[in-house]
Amino acid sequence: KNQVEQSPQSLIILEGKNCTLQCNYTVSPFSNLRWYKQDTGRGPVSLTIMTFSENTKSNGRYTATLDADTKQSSLHITASQLSDSASYICVVINTNAGKSTFGDGTTLTVKP
Amino acid sequence: DSGVTQTPKHLITATGQRVTLRCSPRSGDLSVYWYQQSLDQGLQFLIHYYNGEERAKGNILERFSAQQFPDLHSELNLSSLELGDSALYFCASSALDSGNTEAFFGQGTRLTVV
Repeated sequence: KNQVEQSPQSLIILEGKNCTLQCNYTVSPFSNLRWYKQDTGRGPVSLTIMTFSENTKSNGRYTATLDADTKQSSLHITASQLSDSASYICVVINTNAGKSTFGDGTTLTVKP
Repeated sequence: DSGVTQTPKHLITATGQRVTLRCSPRSGDLSVYWYQQSLDQGLQFLIHYYNGEERAKGNILERFSAQQFPDLHSELNLSSLELGDSALYFCASSALDSGNTEAFFGQGTRLTVV
């Protein structure tokens, strides 16, 4: 069964600090991996998309890494802001089936 | 604003009833995806349509069905509703059929079954 596991489940940090969120997956075959930010009660917004051959991709203060050999990805957030408080979701796309498998997300709270 | 429009925003209905959720994709996008997000749970992929044809199915119940019309809008039909069907239902669209293209999500329809 394809799985995407994210850790930690929740995280509280102080404004201005950095943090790293983890995503481990067993989806195979693999097409691409995406990180989304979802504010409470709203639709997810794409942060990064990485294909099999990409190791890192940045979007402003967000940097995603991918190790396809170990099937691990991370999302690093630098200089956190209060507006970064949200759920961060890792999604892995299965090429053959065209299906998306979502992790349960990491809930990040940034405090002043 | 992602450009994906979902209606209605909120829906309250009784068990056993049938409802239809509507999604208008971004202009020019051919792919539409439907997802369910129950309270405090992750997103679950339901179904994917591309240019009117079903492309992939996820964890979609037999009581649920969807279609994509020639004008590319899509509808998700939920029948014989149960309390456990209460959730946020999201629609997303992308330009192509390829899994490598970015998907844009609508703001969701919150369904409450009482």
